[in-house]
Amino acid sequence: GIQVEQSPPDLILQEGANSTLRCNFSDSVNNLQWFHQNPWGQLINLFYIPSGTKQNGRLSATTVATERYSLLYISSSQTTDSGVYFCAVGRASYDKVIFGPGTSLSVIP
Amino acid sequence: SQTIHQWPATLVQPVGSPLSLECTVEGTSNPNLYWYRQAAGRGLQLLFYSVGIGQISSEVPQNLSASRPQDRQFILSSKKLLLSDSGFYLCAWIEAAGNTIYFGEGSWLTVV
Repeated sequence: GIQVEQSPPDLILQEGANSTLRCNFSDSVNNLQWFHQNPWGQLINLFYIPSGTKQNGRLSATTVATERYSLLYISSSQTTDSGVYFCAVGRASYDKVIFGPGTSLSVIP
Repeated sequence: SQTIHQWPATLVQPVGSPLSLECTVEGTSNPNLYWYRQAAGRGLQLLFYSVGIGQISSEVPQNLSASRPQDRQFILSSKKLLLSDSGFYLCAWIEAAGNTIYFGEGSWLTVV
């Protein structure tokens, strides 16, 4: 099956700093999503981005499908950005979705 | 609008007891449905997924089973719980011909 890796596993940022999270996957995918899990366990979909670039406020994401990686950019980080960020992929838009191990982000004041 | 409900939210069960977690989706038809488990740490492990009534795919051999008796209902069960079944269980769905996966609120299971 598809293997998904994320880096770094843990990240500590000072409030206001920028960061880049990476997701590598082992096979071609047609479905790639980024999620944020808050400290209460709630999973929030950030981007559906099988290819290209998208931006939503301070967050943006880029997927280079031919090179099998995706990047999530967080700018001007805030304490509310803390939590775990997951990359999830699938071979088809209507198929099983496999999650990476996540990046745990802590933003300190 | 579509919504997903998952219950119970929290439960504490003794080893060897049965389990039933239920998930229902409203406002859509023929969704793909998923059960994930998040054990200590942070990875989400795909347990089961279903593309239709009565169609269940198991991803990992488990002490668990899943059923889909109705189009928008997905049930996770066990006949005898193990300590290692403890964790955070999440139900999720993708609408037919859709892309984005949506999650329920999750169920915290502690086996004692």
